[in-house]
Amino acid sequence: KNEVEQSPQNLTAQEGEFITINCSYSVGISALHWLQQHPGGGIVSLFMLSSGKKKHGRLIATINIQEKHSSLHITASHPRDSAVYICAVRPDFDSNYQLIWGAGTKLIIKP
Amino acid sequence: DTAVSQTPKYLVTQMGNDKSIKCEQNLGHDTMYWYKQDSKKFLKIMFSYNNKELIINETVPNRFSPKSPDKAHLNLHINSLELGDSAVYFCASSWTKGQGYNSPLHFGNGTRLTVT
Repeated sequence: KNEVEQSPQNLTAQEGEFITINCSYSVGISALHWLQQHPGGGIVSLFMLSSGKKKHGRLIATINIQEKHSSLHITASHPRDSAVYICAVRPDFDSNYQLIWGAGTKLIIKP
Repeated sequence: DTAVSQTPKYLVTQMGNDKSIKCEQNLGHDTMYWYKQDSKKFLKIMFSYNNKELIINETVPNRFSPKSPDKAHLNLHINSLELGDSAVYFCASSWTKGQGYNSPLHFGNGTRLTVT
């Protein structure tokens, strides 16, 4: 069992829908990253958070350290949001800056 | 200007050849990484250099040799390429000390390596 689990693995929704992608982890962490990988392959860092909530445009990321859980929300989804969304955590026991990666959630937004 | 640039974008080569992938970052970051993304889309760390010093060297064949001539560059050289080396390789950079232990990763656009 991977230490970082994402759900769902695949998600198809209609344009305009509110999207939630979940990330659960089993280790103590110092930070959690959300990244986006577009069909073209490029990877972009969306958020890095260690507590609370962050918002950027239509994207919102929340984290609950006690429950070891984070969510990525997309409001008013658009076809250009179609991508793979990846969660990664930096364990608090690691001194070599390694990240533990989730398998990603493939999101398709239909017009 | 591209923050993290890696070349080439595509690399098709035959088994047994030696090839290099170059990576440069102009963000002033102190740490650079090489990741391999396999067919299942998992990103696996291969190497990490902090200020030109190797700090992560995961279990990869010793046919893979990273070279960091300065903290803005981390190149990946692969000897005797095998079919199983076919994957997308991503370079990334970040701050890890001083400027913020937890800073976002900045990725290059990836190099799709195909070994035939």
